[in-house]
Amino acid sequence: KQEVTQIPAALSVPEGENLVLNCSFTDSAIYNLQWFRQDPGKGLTSLLLIQSSQREQTSGRLNASLDKSSGRSTLYIAASQPGDSATYLCAVGGTYKYIFGTGTRLKVLA
Amino acid sequence: GAVVSQHPSWVICKSGTSVKIECRSLDFQATTMFWYRQFPKQSLMLMATSNEGSKATYEQGVEKDKFLINHASLTLSTLTVTSAHPEDSSFYICSANYGLVGGENEQFFGPGTRLTVL
Repeated sequence: KQEVTQIPAALSVPEGENLVLNCSFTDSAIYNLQWFRQDPGKGLTSLLLIQSSQREQTSGRLNASLDKSSGRSTLYIAASQPGDSATYLCAVGGTYKYIFGTGTRLKVLA
Repeated sequence: GAVVSQHPSWVICKSGTSVKIECRSLDFQATTMFWYRQFPKQSLMLMATSNEGSKATYEQGVEKDKFLINHASLTLSTLTVTSAHPEDSSFYICSANYGLVGGENEQFFGPGTRLTVL
């Protein structure tokens, strides 16, 4: 049974810092891994999708990497801004369904 | 990109009533739709998977008679919470995908429906 864990559970940083969010999964037989952002009381915003054959994806200040063999993915946020404050979720795509991680609540202080 | 909508975005109902939530794929045909539930400050938990024209597959611990899912067309799936109780209050999110094509199974998520049962 796939289990997805995110560390840290919560993170508070001053504006401008570069930061790394971690996602680990127990079963390396995945189709893809997707990072989402969720603002309080809102739905999900897709940030980056990494297919199983890829090692990383980049979008603006965001970079996500995938290491299937070790069961890990990281989301790197460069030059963090207060607007980045949200909960970040990773989801591992299996044969037909996603398993979500526990989430990291990020707060960027101005 | 692919767009998924949900209706209503929020609903308040009395205990014992039934509530229907719609999930629509607006610009693509979804062979498979998924329903998730999210409690406050927790992650998303998959409730069930629905395929057009067939019965939904429920995850362990989800009551299929309480959470009725209908996937009548390739663009519409509905979740009906029957005889709702306060403990059913939650954020319900649906997603849809094209189906497996060369291993790609990206899911596109709706904006969610907040259900409050009084």
